[in-house]
Amino acid sequence: EDQVTQSPEALRLQEGESSSLNCSYTVSGLRGLFWYRQDPGKGPEFLFTLYSAGEEKEKERLKATLTKKESFLHITAPKPEDSATYLCAVQAGIQGAQKLVFGQGTRLTINP
Amino acid sequence: NAGVTQTPKFQVLKTGQSMTLQCAQDMNHNSMYWYRQDPGMGLRLIYYSASEGTTDKGEVPNGYNVSRLNKREFSLRLESAAPSQTSVYFCASMSGRWVKNTEAFFGQGTRLTVV
Repeated sequence: EDQVTQSPEALRLQEGESSSLNCSYTVSGLRGLFWYRQDPGKGPEFLFTLYSAGEEKEKERLKATLTKKESFLHITAPKPEDSATYLCAVQAGIQGAQKLVFGQGTRLTINP
Repeated sequence: NAGVTQTPKFQVLKTGQSMTLQCAQDMNHNSMYWYRQDPGMGLRLIYYSASEGTTDKGEVPNGYNVSRLNKREFSLRLESAAPSQTSVYFCASMSGRWVKNTEAFFGQGTRLTVV
């Protein structure tokens, strides 16, 4: 069964304190791994898609990396506005039906 | 540029009542999804539709039915609502063709309370 596990569940950092969020996955026929940001009361907002092991993508203070079993979202010198829940999802489907399965999220709080 | 539109935004039901959550997308996407989100649980897949005329169960389909009415619309029905179905429901759509830079677009959610 396809599974996505994120860790930690919650993370508190001081402004400027860099860290990483983890997303490990077990799927059949991985097509892509996605990172989303979600603010309270809103729908998820797209950040990155990664397709193959070794791939990296960056956006402002965020960098996402992918291996064969997991992905990391690195946050460099975060600011309070980076506080949000970060969701990881995998798109899998050997036979064409494309499920999109999410992890439970990491709730990130950046203290000023 | 509406993207994914969900209605209603808020709903309160009594146990045993039925209702349909509506979702429409204007991006000509093939794949559409329904998720529920509970505190600390992330997004759990209820049903999805890879293309018009097809639907498949996700992780938590019990108590729900879906209809892919046409390419644009994908509705979620609760036949007999239960308090355990109190949640925030999100609809999403995706191209469905495997191309680079594809992403899922989400609606703003429906906050459902069953009393």
